[in-house]
Amino acid sequence: DTEVTQTPKHLVMGMTNKKSLKCEQHMGHRAMYWYKQKAKKPPELMFVYSYEKLSINESVPSRFSPECPNSSLLNLHLHALQPEDSALYLCASSPSHRDVFEKLFFGSGTQLSVL
Amino acid sequence: GDSVTQMEGPVTLSEEAFLTINCTYTATGYPSLFWYVQYPGEGLQLLLKATKADDKGSNKGFEATYRKETTSFHLEKGSVQVSDSAVYFCALGSSNTGKLIFGQGTTLQVKP
Repeated sequence: DTEVTQTPKHLVMGMTNKKSLKCEQHMGHRAMYWYKQKAKKPPELMFVYSYEKLSINESVPSRFSPECPNSSLLNLHLHALQPEDSALYLCASSPSHRDVFEKLFFGSGTQLSVL
Repeated sequence: GDSVTQMEGPVTLSEEAFLTINCTYTATGYPSLFWYVQYPGEGLQLLLKATKADDKGSNKGFEATYRKETTSFHLEKGSVQVSDSAVYFCALGSSNTGKLIFGQGTTLQVKP
């Protein structure tokens, strides 16, 4: 199994809603990542978890709250988002953060629209 | 800081045409270089990579050679297919930051 599975594939939410994005991998990877990708732009790193601990936060606004309940799961909790937060949110994993260059696997993403 | 510059798209080719997508980089040290491909509605997939100067990465008919003297990693394919239509991202692994740095992406459209 070399998949990173993200749910839901599409999400529409209002600015007052609370929602969560989910990511799951069963490759035994110990590093997991959240990226944000705007249309026709490259992915931008948001968060890195290494061995279930947050190791990098790229100065992301607090309305995005990551969580890593165990080594296979990664969540991104969303609250009070703005329309400009509409984007494709990509989850990725690698065996460890040191392997991020060589063995990074991406999920298909959640397309988020904030109204 | 480390950076990647790709040729702007979109690139539109007829089937069986030769493809080149230019990529140059700026980096300290000896970065690894990558090409990722993103098909519509999907995440990124690693297409090929090269970890040191003069290495050639290849996969699915695509090739790229790590040229340290010209700081380039151009992507080539001898005969493109409609199924190659996608966005292609050049990236480098920055030893300074431990992060992947992506270029802006180049959209390729192949017409039958």
